[in-house]
Amino acid sequence: DIQMTQSPASLSASLGETVTIECRASEDIYSNLAWYQQKPGNSPQLLIYDANSLADGVPSRFSGSGSGTQYSLKINSLQSEDVASYFCQQYNNYPYTFGAGTKLELK
Amino acid sequence: QVQLKESGPGLVQPSQTLSLTCTVSGLSLTSNSVSWIRQPPGKGLEWMGVIWSNGGTDYNSAIKSRLSISRDTSKSQVFLKMNSLQTEDTAMYFCARNVYNNYYFDYWGQGVMVTVSS
Repeated sequence: DIQMTQSPASLSASLGETVTIECRASEDIYSNLAWYQQKPGNSPQLLIYDANSLADGVPSRFSGSGSGTQYSLKINSLQSEDVASYFCQQYNNYPYTFGAGTKLELK
Repeated sequence: QVQLKESGPGLVQPSQTLSLTCTVSGLSLTSNSVSWIRQPPGKGLEWMGVIWSNGGTDYNSAIKSRLSISRDTSKSQVFLKMNSLQTEDTAMYFCARNVYNNYYFDYWGQGVMVTVSS
């Protein structure tokens, strides 16, 4: 199985700050990567697919980048509603696997 | 408006079989694929398996021997059955739509919490 290693596990940032979350795959996943946001008590919501494509309705302050085994999610101008956990997911190989998540809090 | 909703027992005894239902609306199961994904408390997500729009299935090899996914297209329902439950199967269970028969998920149900305990 492809292992997805996310960092950091938790992150504290201020309103208006730019935040970056990293995801490393154990092998090349050819940009077959999605990012999800999960707020407490809610189900995950798709943010990014194909490593850098913004899902419908997602604010433009979210962006994704990367290739090969290294990927990142960037949040520009952090808003209070961005407090959540973020997960990456590879879909290049079965079984689809997720990162352990990054918990983002306000400083 | 696409909606998915999971239902099933909240408590299952060890070694018993879990049966969950995902009822969908706003989409047809003959042209959409649905996956089951679970999340143990405070932990990450695990993809369990998918039923494709053509009725075929694929499962996570880690639980394949215990898992079965099926559907009733006339009722817009997808079913999960998993046997030999253990305490480590305690989790929130979600169903989610695979985007255009792809391998990521755009619509999710609210989830159903399943606790395995005697």
